[in-house]
Amino acid sequence: TQLLEQSPQFLSIQEGENLTVYCNSSSVFSSLQWYRQEPGEGPVLLVTVVTGGEVKKLKRLTFQFGDARKDSSLHITAAQPGDTGLYLCAGRSNTGKLIFGQGTTLQVKP
Amino acid sequence: SQTIHQWPATLVQPVGSPLSLECTVEGTSNPNLYWYRQAAGRGLQLLFYSVGIGQISSEVPQNLSASRPQDRQFILSSKKLLLSDSGFYLCAWSVVAGDYGYTFGSGTRLTVV
Repeated sequence: TQLLEQSPQFLSIQEGENLTVYCNSSSVFSSLQWYRQEPGEGPVLLVTVVTGGEVKKLKRLTFQFGDARKDSSLHITAAQPGDTGLYLCAGRSNTGKLIFGQGTTLQVKP
Repeated sequence: SQTIHQWPATLVQPVGSPLSLECTVEGTSNPNLYWYRQAAGRGLQLLFYSVGIGQISSEVPQNLSASRPQDRQFILSSKKLLLSDSGFYLCAWSVVAGDYGYTFGSGTRLTVV
């Protein structure tokens, strides 16, 4: 069974700080996605990374796919209160289905 | 553009009552459809997925069932709800092939009392 472990589970920081969220597995994924979810809403896709070592930037968010395609990270620079939410990584398994990590709850205090 | 509709947004049902949650997709044809359940503030557990009309795959044994009577309609049902069925249910769709993301509905908060 392919599993994705996210760390940390909870993160509370002050506005302006930087942070990194990790998504790790012992299995290889063909691609990995990051979603952000607000309370009472469905997750919204932020990015998909496909190639080992790939780095994608979305404004203050930087996503990286590990060289071996087993792990990924999300780095946020100068976090803002609007970044508050649940961040989920999801890997496309060898059966084609998405497997989700348990999520990282981020709270950015003004 | 493609949109996904899920209803109701919230539901409070007594134990032993039936359940029917509906999800419809607009603006696309032959999508893959999914039902997920999410514990509070945590990851998503895949319950059912469908690659076509009448084709349903179940991921975990449970008190729930799913049906796809039309190409863009996905229904989650139960004949008799249990307390453990409480949770946040999400419907999602994706294109059949490629590394495209899932588009999720806004979810249904189900409380079984």
